Order: sequence, then structure tokens, then C-alpha cells
Amino acid sequence: DVKVTQSSRYLVKRTGEKVFLECVQDMDHENMFWYRQDPGLGLRLIYFSYDVKMKEKGDIPEGYSVSREKKERFSLILESASTNQTSMYLCASSSNHIQGSATGELFFGEGSRLTVL
Amino acid sequence: TQLLEQSPQFLSIQEGENLTVYCNSSSVFSSLQWYRQEPGEGPVLLVTVVTGGEVKKLKRLTFQFGDARKDSSLHITAAQPGDTGLYLCAGGVRHNFNKFYFGSGTKLNVKP
Repeated sequence: DVKVTQSSRYLVKRTGEKVFLECVQDMDHENMFWYRQDPGLGLRLIYFSYDVKMKEKGDIPEGYSVSREKKERFSLILESASTNQTSMYLCASSSNHIQGSATGELFFGEGSRLTVL
Repeated sequence: TQLLEQSPQFLSIQEGENLTVYCNSSSVFSSLQWYRQEPGEGPVLLVTVVTGGEVKKLKRLTFQFGDARKDSSLHITAAQPGDTGLYLCAGGVRHNFNKFYFGSGTKLNVKP
């Protein structure tokens, strides 16, 4: 069974703390993504990576950084957490090897709910 | 500003009723995906449509991509409590199939 695993389901941190969110996929996918999900706003892309050590900014990268040292692992880092980063964070992966003409399916983890006090 | 607008935002209906969810944009997309997200879980892909005017059926769910590839709809016939969840549309960008723009979602509750 294919799987995207996020290290923490729930985290509570204080303002100014450094936060690491880890994501591992076992599907040998090239592409990995970090989204945040807020009510009424859908999913917004923070960063994505299409290869090891490669990263690209999404739509809301400010206040975040990422690391991809191994193909299966993509980490999201909040250098100094702030209350407006309280959110649900979703990791996803996709493959470049697409069947037919359809675009790649995103496989999501269960999410990490972060509360910053 | 949301690139993809979904409506309605919330929908609460009785089991057996029919419903339609809309996903609209002023932008053209190369593909349109629909996901369902259940509480405590990540979104799961239901369907991908890529051709203008395309219609796909998945049991009681019918998905349509607009002729101009700017909008899509999801119709559920005879809704069941198991259909309860958050429905998200996501538009794919030409030349960069890794980039998806998500709608704000439609929260569906089907009461038994």
C-alpha cells in the first residue's frame, strides 16, 4: 500500500521556536510538496521539490524553508514560528511517470496540525 | 484572491438527494482534478479530466470539464452518508503539471 507519512499529527509550539515537519514517501516519487490548509482558503502551496536537493517556492513561501537530502524525505522548517503559522500542513508526492495524458496524481499524508501559541 | 472558486462552500442534505458542486475560474487549465478529504485524513484523488467538455462517471459521481477548460462540476446522484467530506477541485497548469491551484473546497454533510 502506497504511503506518505508525516512525522507528527499534532504539535503545539511557542512563538519564536524552530519547528521541523518531516514527510517520508515510499513510492519512489520524484516530486514532493508542502501545502498548508486553512478554512475557506483551500490548499496553498508553500514549497515543492522535483529532485533531491532541488526546491522551488510555491505561492506562500515566506517564513518557511525546506530540505530534501534524500529522495524519499522532504522536510518543512519554520525558523521562528509565529501565531499566523497555526494551520494544518499537508505533505504530498507525485510521479513524473504519468500514464496516458493525465497529469500526475497527488498522494497526500494525513496532515500535521500545528498550533503556535 | 482564489484562482479557483468553489460553490457552495457548505452543503447539508438528506440521504437520497442529488447535488452539484461547482468549480469556476477565469483561467484556463490543462487539467482539472477532484479530491475528497475526510476528517483527519489527507485528500484522495477521485478523478482527473483533461479535455474540454469531458464527462467522467465514477459510480454515482459525474464529473464534467467545461468546454473552455475554465470550470468543472461534480454531480452526486442519490447521496449517501459515506459521501460526507470536503470536496476540493485542483487546476493543473500547462507546461508544469506539478503545479496545482486548489479551490477553497465544498464541505458536504449527508444526513441519514
